[in-house]
Amino acid sequence: GENVEQHPSTLSVQEGDSAVIKCTYSDSASNYFPWYKQELGKRPQLIIDIRSNVGEKKDQRIAVTLNKTAKHFSLHITETQPEDSAVYFCAASKGDSNYQLIWGAGTKLIIKP
Amino acid sequence: DSGVTQTPKHLITATGQRVTLRCSPRSGDLSVYWYQQSLDQGLQFLIQYYNGEERAKGNILERFSAQQFPDLHSELNLSSLELGDSALYFCASSLNNEQFFGPGTRLTVL
Repeated sequence: GENVEQHPSTLSVQEGDSAVIKCTYSDSASNYFPWYKQELGKRPQLIIDIRSNVGEKKDQRIAVTLNKTAKHFSLHITETQPEDSAVYFCAASKGDSNYQLIWGAGTKLIIKP
Repeated sequence: DSGVTQTPKHLITATGQRVTLRCSPRSGDLSVYWYQQSLDQGLQFLIQYYNGEERAKGNILERFSAQQFPDLHSELNLSSLELGDSALYFCASSLNNEQFFGPGTRLTVL
């Protein structure tokens, strides 16, 4: 079945530096790729998503890139701040809507002051 | 606040017992998803309901069952509880692709 691999499992970066988290998916029919952020003790929340007809999407300091040929997508956070410390999950789905998300294992991002 | 509510917030019970977790989706959302998150672990998808019907099944144990009612709220039933069932249980709802998560129910099995 569909599988999503996420790397690294833990990422520690200096405040102000950039952070990149990568995910690889197995099902070429996947067409929707969201990223969720889960702060300690809180619920996961969508921060950005991308569809297969787009190669890149940006929202202020965060961006997601998609390479359909290689079947991987990445989250980029620039000018990291302490509030970026959290666990980030990538996911993939092959439905138009209301389809099950296949989740990555998560990346714990630590921002060092 | 995502608009998804879950009750109870905390639940402490003993091994062998049965509990029911409840989820009310956002107004208008037809899909409800249940997830299990053990300490420092990822999101394990359990099951999805869409407009009252089971739509997708993940790694849900036979001791667990769920249903979605006509008013679209959902319940997750966990029976013959074991120590390893201790976890945070999230439900999420969606109308399109974005899933909105509830605050979770923390289950502790002693």
